[in-house]
Amino acid sequence: AQTVTQSQPEMSVQEAETVTLSCTYDTSENNYYLFWYKQPPSRQMILVIRQEAYKQQNATENRFSVNFQKAAKSFSLKISDSQLGDTAMYFCAFMNQIDYNNNDMRFGAGTRLTVKP
Amino acid sequence: DTAVSQTPKYLVTQMGNDKSIKCEQNLGHDTMYWYKQDSKKFLKIMFSYNNKELIINETVPNRFSPKSPDKAHLNLHINSLELGDSAVYFCASSHPENLIGGLPYNEQFFGPGTRLTVL
Repeated sequence: AQTVTQSQPEMSVQEAETVTLSCTYDTSENNYYLFWYKQPPSRQMILVIRQEAYKQQNATENRFSVNFQKAAKSFSLKISDSQLGDTAMYFCAFMNQIDYNNNDMRFGAGTRLTVKP
Repeated sequence: DTAVSQTPKYLVTQMGNDKSIKCEQNLGHDTMYWYKQDSKKFLKIMFSYNNKELIINETVPNRFSPKSPDKAHLNLHINSLELGDSAVYFCASSHPENLIGGLPYNEQFFGPGTRLTVL
C-alpha cells in the first residue's frame, strides 16, 4: 500500500518570503503522479501543482515549484513570495497508475500554513 | 457552471438516522469518488465508481452505501448514523487523459464538500 507522510503539521512564513513544505511517500511502483492540493478555509480542494514520476524536470506553476527526488521518494513544495491568500491547509497526494480508469489517490495528513503580514 | 456539486452543504442530524448526500458532475467524467475528511483534516478515499461500477471500496462500514443511478451522479447513503461519522465528505470526479509519455492521467475535480454533524 502506498503511504504519504507530511511531517510538518503547522508552518508559518512572513509575507513575501519563501517557505518549503515537505512530503515523503512510499511505493514500490515506478509510474505514478504526485500532487499538492490547497484547502483554504472555504474548504474547497484546489489543485496547486502535479508531477509525473517519469519526468525528471521539477514542475513549476508561477510561485509554486516542487523538488521531486524520486530515489529518495521526496516531493517538497516551495512557495515563493508568499501571499496572505496562501494561508491554507496543504495536502500532498499520491496517485498510482493502476489502470486506465482507476486512480486511487492517497493523501498525506496535511500541513497548515499561515502567512503572516 | 459548477463542475462537481454536492447537496446539502451542511447536514446536522441525530444519531441513528439515515441520511443521503448527493453528488453530481457535469464534466462528462466516467469515474467518481467519495472521500471523508475527519476532524484532524485527514482525507481518505471511501469509494470509487467507474461507469456506475464499484472500483474501490476501502474499509468502510456497511452502513455506508454509494449509489450511482447514472454516470453523472454518485450519491452516498448512510444508515444508522453514529457520532464518529461527523466529518466533511468530498465528492470528486475524473476522466482519463493521455499525457505526453503515454501514461493515462486522471485529474480529480473535487466538489465543495458536505459537512455532516451527528448529534
